Amino acid sequence: AQKITQTQPGMFVQEKEAVTLDCTYDTSDQSYGLFWYKQPSSGEMIFLIYQGSYDEQNATEGRYSLNFQKARKSANLVISASQLGDSAMYFCATPNSGNTPLVFGKGTRLSVIA
Amino acid sequence: DAGITQSPRYKITETGRQVTLMCHQTWSHSYMFWYRQDLGHGLRLIYYSAAADITDKGEVPDGYVVSRSKTENFPLTLESATRSQTSVYFCASSESQGIEAFFGQGTRLTVV
Repeated sequence: AQKITQTQPGMFVQEKEAVTLDCTYDTSDQSYGLFWYKQPSSGEMIFLIYQGSYDEQNATEGRYSLNFQKARKSANLVISASQLGDSAMYFCATPNSGNTPLVFGKGTRLSVIA
Repeated sequence: DAGITQSPRYKITETGRQVTLMCHQTWSHSYMFWYRQDLGHGLRLIYYSAAADITDKGEVPDGYVVSRSKTENFPLTLESATRSQTSVYFCASSESQGIEAFFGQGTRLTVV
């Protein structure tokens, strides 16, 4: 089974609107982390936000927040008040099992429209 | 400058040639990783290293060799480049497993 599934190859959002990027994962571990990265057109990978499986609160970092639903194995990224600079590829990732290197989803390309 | 740097940023090589991609980090992170990024596949792990002289295979290791004689360097060698190895290669590092990894700028490799 695929470890990380991002079902939206591409998304459009109007500037200043909120957008949710979907991520579901497959794990039998009790303790794990979920990560989101941003890749702008310049190509670098930028770490955005982390959610631990035992964290009681959804993670937030500025305009980024995670809608973490453990029972559904989903960790959706919410970007509030979208800006043109948010146009990028977004990747969800988690360790394959335990403390192993991150496995990435195939990404979602977000385009913010003025 | 602190961080993780890759060189070269761009490389064109011919089929059958050996090519080495360099990765250097200044954080003294224990873990280092090599990923390749291809359209439709996201990022796939090639090799990783938990410390100097300790390396392990990832999802797509065939055709690649790594070494890690010093903590700060983790070169990736394509022993005999093939067109299927045309890709963008990312090096990353982290203090430990299970936490965020920080990425270099990437190397775009074209094998002709």
